[in-house]
Amino acid sequence: GENVEQHPSTLSVQEGDSAVIKCTYSDSASNYFPWYKQELGKRPQLIIDIRSNVGEKKDQRIAVTLNKTAKHFSLHITETQPEDSAVYFCAASRGGNEKLTFGTGTRLTIIP
Amino acid sequence: GAVVSQHPSWVICKSGTSVKIECRSLDFQATTMFWYRQFPKQSLMLMATSNEGSKATYEQGVEKDKFLINHASLTLSTLTVTSAHPEDSSFYICSASGTSLGNEQFFGPGTRLTVL
Repeated sequence: GENVEQHPSTLSVQEGDSAVIKCTYSDSASNYFPWYKQELGKRPQLIIDIRSNVGEKKDQRIAVTLNKTAKHFSLHITETQPEDSAVYFCAASRGGNEKLTFGTGTRLTIIP
Repeated sequence: GAVVSQHPSWVICKSGTSVKIECRSLDFQATTMFWYRQFPKQSLMLMATSNEGSKATYEQGVEKDKFLINHASLTLSTLTVTSAHPEDSSFYICSASGTSLGNEQFFGPGTRLTVL
């Protein structure tokens, strides 16, 4: 089955700086890669996703890159703000109604 | 659109009792629903996948006789934790996807289960 690894597990960044979180996956059939932000006790919130026919996607301060050959994808947050502090999860699936496999999570702390 | 609700939001029960958690898609037809369990400071672990009208598919290591899943309609799935024990205390989250909504899964707000 799919295995998703995520690094780093914790990340502290000065406000205004950029944050990068990286994930690798094992299943070459995976073609959908979402990123979630989860605050304590809340549901995961989709912040951006990418499909395998695209190498990069950007939405304001958030971007995701995908390298299918190397089986890794990354989340980039620029101009970080205190409200970006949360736990971020990457995930992978084969698309459609297939199950998601989550990474282990990254606790991001933005230092004012 | 694409709202998923869960009920209850939290529940406390005694060891040995059963607890039922409901997951509803409010404004779309959920052909597939997923149940996850999340322990403190850990990731979401998929427990099972259920398709409307058919038996759930459980992940390896998840006891199907302990975690009963019913997906009786396109808007409702239930998870029953039978004979709950303190080690079952966790955050249970459902998600739902629909054929008309592409790849995205829509998550419920979660249910915090505490077994005394």
